[in-house]
Amino acid sequence: GAVVSQHPSWVICKSGTSVKIECRSLDFQATTMFWYRQFPKQSLMLMATSNEGSKATYEQGVEKDKFLINHASLTLSTLTVTSAHPEDSSFYICSAWGGTVSYEQYFGPGTRLTVT
Amino acid sequence: AQSVTQLDSHVSVSEGTPVLLRCNYSSSYSPSLFWYVQHPNKGLQLLLKYTSAATLVKGINGFEAEFKKSETSFHLTKPSAHMSDAAEYFCVVSDNDYKLSFGAGTTVTVRA
Repeated sequence: GAVVSQHPSWVICKSGTSVKIECRSLDFQATTMFWYRQFPKQSLMLMATSNEGSKATYEQGVEKDKFLINHASLTLSTLTVTSAHPEDSSFYICSAWGGTVSYEQYFGPGTRLTVT
Repeated sequence: AQSVTQLDSHVSVSEGTPVLLRCNYSSSYSPSLFWYVQHPNKGLQLLLKYTSAATLVKGINGFEAEFKKSETSFHLTKPSAHMSDAAEYFCVVSDNDYKLSFGAGTTVTVRA
C-alpha cells in the first residue's frame, strides 16, 4: 500500500516551453501533497505544499508564477514548470501525506527534467 | 524551527562490517524522525521512523536507529553492511506540522 507515482519519469524540453509533471497517490487519499526539488548530489528542498482544492503554499524563494501547482483531487497533484530555462533542470520529487499522526510522507520516484 | 545535521557527508565501509550514520536534530517540539534511503536515480524509501514510542526503532533491511533526547541524536546503524546498502541516506525531522526537513545526506560506499 501507500504507493505514489509520477509521470513522466524523465522529460526533455526546449528552453521557453512549459512542462507538466503529474503526481498520483494510487491507493490512498492524500490530504496534502508536497513538491521537492533535488539538485545533483544534494538534499531535497521543499518547494511547495498543496492541499486538495486550495492554493498551494510556496516556500520562500520559489517563484509561484513559474512553478504552477494544481491539486484538483485527493489523488492527483500537478506541477507545471512554465517558460522553462536550463537552470530549471533538476530532479523533481513529489510526496503525499494521508493525514496520519506520524506525519509519514510517501514519495514518488521522481521526474528528471532537462531543459535544453 | 526544526533542522537536521548529518555529521558525515560520506561513509565508506567494508562488506560485512558495521555501518553508523550520525544525525543530530533540532526541534521545538517532540519531533517525528525518519531515515530514508535513495538509490541512484530512484525514489526515496523509508527505512524507519520514530514517533514517540520506543526509543530503539527497527527498520527494514536490518537497519535500526536509537532516539536519544538528551543528545538530540537519531543515529542509524546496521550490524553488517551489504553491497546493496550503497546509496544516499537522509535523516529527516518533522515538527508536528507534517513539513519535513531533510539533512544534507550521507553517501554510503561499501567495499567488497
